[in-house]
Amino acid sequence: QAQLVQSGAEVKKPGASVKVSCKASGYTFTAHYMHWVRQAPGQGLEWMGWINPDTGGTNYAQKFQGRVTMTWDTSISTAYMELSRLRSDDRALYYCARDNWGWDYWGQGTLVTVSS
Amino acid sequence: SYELTQPPSVSVSPGQTARITCSGDALPKQYAYWYQQKPGQAPVLVIYKDTERPSGIPERFSGSSSGTTITLTISGVQAEDEADYYCQSTDSSGTWVFGGGTKLTVL
Repeated sequence: QAQLVQSGAEVKKPGASVKVSCKASGYTFTAHYMHWVRQAPGQGLEWMGWINPDTGGTNYAQKFQGRVTMTWDTSISTAYMELSRLRSDDRALYYCARDNWGWDYWGQGTLVTVSS
Repeated sequence: SYELTQPPSVSVSPGQTARITCSGDALPKQYAYWYQQKPGQAPVLVIYKDTERPSGIPERFSGSSSGTTITLTISGVQAEDEADYYCQSTDSSGTWVFGGGTKLTVL
């Protein structure tokens, strides 16, 4: 049974960066793209980008290009999403999700709060 | 940018059939997916590749496609089906997009 476990909630000041981790288990980490999605309070799902854990290739949503960096560490089956120059409207729940002809496993979400 | 359009809300009585639509120009060329999200929970995949149902998803959930519109159908709606539903697809550049979401209310 696959599982994605994300790092805990974060509180950051405007202008700072946040790095969220997503540890995979129960499957071959390099066999599936990993996506990152965020959901602002009371809002819908917003795709941020994906990383190919086999090659390190990435594809970021245009909205986040220049501010987001997705990385990975195969040795510990963990994907990372770093968002820089945080603003108040970046306050959201951030999810990782495994791509398997549909995103079949999701992390539990990491709440990022941006407040001065 | 590519967009998917869903109705904000759909209401049905228990036992009736709920249909949630999603429109997008690239849907005839790309597979679509549907997710169910209940309050405080991560989304759950309920339909993949337009019409396929993952294991563990009840048979009352089905998907269909016609031109630029896809439809999630829930037959014999139950109270536990009350949730937000999101369609999702991709374009030829590998960019993914979600519809705005539809809140299903079971009356």
